[in-house]
Amino acid sequence: AIQLTQSPSSLSASVGDRVTITCRASQAIRNDLGWHQQKPGKAPKLLIYAVSNLQSGVPSRFSGSGSGTDFTLTISSLQPEDSATYYCLQDFDYPWTFGQGTKVEVK
Amino acid sequence: QVQLVQSGTEVKKPGASVRISCKASGYTFSTYYINWVRQAPGQGLQWMGIIKSTDGTTTFSQKFQGRLTVTRDTSTTTVFMELSSLRSEDTGVYYCASSRYLDGDELLDSWGQGTLVTVSS
Repeated sequence: AIQLTQSPSSLSASVGDRVTITCRASQAIRNDLGWHQQKPGKAPKLLIYAVSNLQSGVPSRFSGSGSGTDFTLTISSLQPEDSATYYCLQDFDYPWTFGQGTKVEVK
Repeated sequence: QVQLVQSGTEVKKPGASVRISCKASGYTFSTYYINWVRQAPGQGLQWMGIIKSTDGTTTFSQKFQGRLTVTRDTSTTTVFMELSSLRSEDTGVYYCASSRYLDGDELLDSWGQGTLVTVSS
């Protein structure tokens, strides 16, 4: 199975900061990578699909980039409501796999 | 807009089976696939398997092979997930989530609200 490794596991940043989360795949996965946001006690929510496509309704401060095995999720100006855990997901091959998650705290 | 509504909380004894439903609405049922994802308490997300609404074809994670069954009822646009031989490690929240193709890209784009399953003697 393809392994996804996220870094960091957690971070704390201030409102307005630029935040970057990295997801590294154990093999090349073309552009078959998405990012999901999960707030405590809630279902996850799709933010970005196919590396860089913003899901409808998601604020433009979220963006994604990368190719091959290395991908990033960037929040350009962190907001209080962005406090959540973020997961990458590869849908290149079965079994689909998630990264272990990155918990973002807004100071 | 896709909506997925799951059945309610379950409490099961070790060795039993659990069956969770996922009612889909707001889209053409046959154009989407339904995935199942598990989240153990305080842990991350784990993909379990997928059913293609078009023909009912399933693909499962090897971790759940032999214990996991996923079926669909096209007349009620409902997907069912059954996990058998439950053990305490199966305790967690189970989500259904829809996936589809958009302009050649596959995306998992809508999630159910989750169903809590507790396995305890």
